[in-house]
Amino acid sequence: ETGVTQSPTHLIKTRGQQVTLRCSSQSGHNTVSWYQQALGQGPQFIFQYYREEENGRGNFPPRFSGLQFPNYSSELNVNALELDDSALYLCASSSPGTSISNEQFFGPGTRLTVL
Amino acid sequence: QKEVEQNSGPLSVPEGAIASLNCTYSDRGSQSFFWYRQYSGKSPELIMFIYSNGDKEDGRFTAQLNKASQYVSLLIRDSQPSDSATYLCAVRGGYNKLIFGAGTRLAVHP
Repeated sequence: ETGVTQSPTHLIKTRGQQVTLRCSSQSGHNTVSWYQQALGQGPQFIFQYYREEENGRGNFPPRFSGLQFPNYSSELNVNALELDDSALYLCASSSPGTSISNEQFFGPGTRLTVL
Repeated sequence: QKEVEQNSGPLSVPEGAIASLNCTYSDRGSQSFFWYRQYSGKSPELIMFIYSNGDKEDGRFTAQLNKASQYVSLLIRDSQPSDSATYLCAVRGGYNKLIFGAGTRLAVHP
């Protein structure tokens, strides 16, 4: 157990709908990163939030957006869902800084299925 | 060329043998490297990180880094059926993001 929680565990949506996924970071961590893991692939970086601002983004379209709240919890929002958005969405929390071994702690993930 | 490449496997080894998992990366400036284990349907868990050339040992696990060859490996000694999982190699990129390979599936058979 890493202390990072995500909700919901599973979610089924239809194409065109919108979805919100939630993440609570580990105590003391103020940086949250989101990853998408398609079946059979490694996780792909979506974006990172630090002090309530987006602090780096991967190669994902603008319909993927996020928020971070003052308690460092975070949301991932996906609009206009597509079939290819079906994946495991992972949230990872970390402490800030440039320590060479700065570890990211992953939550259990949310399995999103788009029909 | 993918940034981080791994053989997808499956790598099948008998119980008690040494499992050797390999990873290459494309950015010569990379400094931090991670091995994660992921059981089916679960999230990745960190096994090892390494940033200096050479070997780093932790219990049955040894990570090896060769920056000149842009090569990272993970050795698992005395493999157990419970080691059967997908092993993900990751390299730290900008913004502290992790760049993952597609993973190698390991199967340890009794």
